[in-house]
Amino acid sequence: NAGVTQTPKFRVLKTGQSMTLLCAQDMNHEYMYWYRQDPGMGLRLIHYSVGEGTTAKGEVPDGYNVSRLKKQNFLLGLESAAPSQTSVYFCASSSIPYEQYFGPGTRLTVT
Amino acid sequence: EDQVTQSPEALRLQEGESSSLNCSYTVSGLRGLFWYRQDPGKGPEFLFTLYSAGEEKEKERLKATLTKKESFLHITAPKPEDSATYLCAVQVPLIKAAGNKLTFGGGTRVLVKP
Repeated sequence: NAGVTQTPKFRVLKTGQSMTLLCAQDMNHEYMYWYRQDPGMGLRLIHYSVGEGTTAKGEVPDGYNVSRLKKQNFLLGLESAAPSQTSVYFCASSSIPYEQYFGPGTRLTVT
Repeated sequence: EDQVTQSPEALRLQEGESSSLNCSYTVSGLRGLFWYRQDPGKGPEFLFTLYSAGEEKEKERLKATLTKKESFLHITAPKPEDSATYLCAVQVPLIKAAGNKLTFGGGTRVLVKP
């Protein structure tokens, strides 16, 4: 039982490049979330999903897209990376109304 | 707007020196208050959930309490391995869908020196 896993762990992008972050969970949770964590800003919700095939915007969705084609996977895409998207990204999952379980994070640097 | 404020931002303790962390919140429709521990380079690790004022939860040297406006995380006789950032989050209803979301505070960095 791996819990929540994220791929990759680290990535460096140039401005304008695109990439996809993958999150996988093996707990059969309905809900999945993407957060970003920045110094002094705390964790902020980017997008979330309440079930397979559904997605919705969180607090800071601009510049990101997501997809949930399978219940266990939640993908976060950056179509044209910007330096402001340099951050640590965390995926989480939960079985409502219970606590969210977090992955180990992806550290992204955009130059 | 939902707000969660943690204090202090940083706390340096000697091993065995007990202390408390504060999490104050202003939210509508609180559905739970959560405490997480985060070690450097890792994701937040769940510690406690509190649902109603007066509730208390304990785990080893940690004890969390909840009132109508704030929560405290008490660390009793801390050890160096308790060094981490402690995050508080409130669970509030999602606006456009069923379910909840977490709104996090900025965290308290705790360093316990031997």
